[in-house]
Amino acid sequence: AQTVTQSQPEMSVQEAETVTLSCTYDTSESDYYLFWYKQPPSRQMILVIRQEAYKQQNATENRFSVNFQKAAKSFSLKISDSQLGDAAMYFCAYRSAGQIIFGKGTRLHILP
Amino acid sequence: NAGVMQNPRHLVRRRGQEARLRCSPMKGHSHVYWYRQLPEEGLKFMVYLQKENIIDESGMPKERFSAEFPKEGPSILRIQQVVRGDSAAYFCASSPRRGPDSYEQYFGPGTRLTVT
Repeated sequence: AQTVTQSQPEMSVQEAETVTLSCTYDTSESDYYLFWYKQPPSRQMILVIRQEAYKQQNATENRFSVNFQKAAKSFSLKISDSQLGDAAMYFCAYRSAGQIIFGKGTRLHILP
Repeated sequence: NAGVMQNPRHLVRRRGQEARLRCSPMKGHSHVYWYRQLPEEGLKFMVYLQKENIIDESGMPKERFSAEFPKEGPSILRIQQVVRGDSAAYFCASSPRRGPDSYEQYFGPGTRLTVT
């Protein structure tokens, strides 16, 4: 069975600095998708970034980028130039077919 | 194009009552997924439906929970005889049948169920 592990329950970063959130996953499949979702206090699930497993190039979306290491089954999220609005729960997620499997989340605090 | 709609946003039920949660997928989306989020936890998959079909209900509790996605109208998640442990946020997501976005699920705002 596939699993997603986020080993950092909470992290803090100074505003304008860079922070990296860790995620590892376990699967025996070769074709799948990985996501990072943001959940602010409103509880809305917002897709931050996605990565197709067959692509070697790391995905980037403005200040958000990933370090995808397929052999190591690692998928970390880097947030550059952190802003107060980035404060939220961040969930790493995996999907092959059908359901998405989520990690337990990392709560990110932004220090002014 | 309106996003995924869920209602009600908040629902309070007494123990033993029934809870009905509704989800209208995005226009053109024929796949619906339900997830449950307990406090301080990630989302856990419950059920995956297409119109008039349950595709995967492996995450659904065997008793008291049911889901449907009729030909017309929203998808419904029904919880009978609710207990305090059912208190959670319930999220619905939808995806199109085909196309480049078919692997992505678009989430609704969730329904927060409180059982008193």
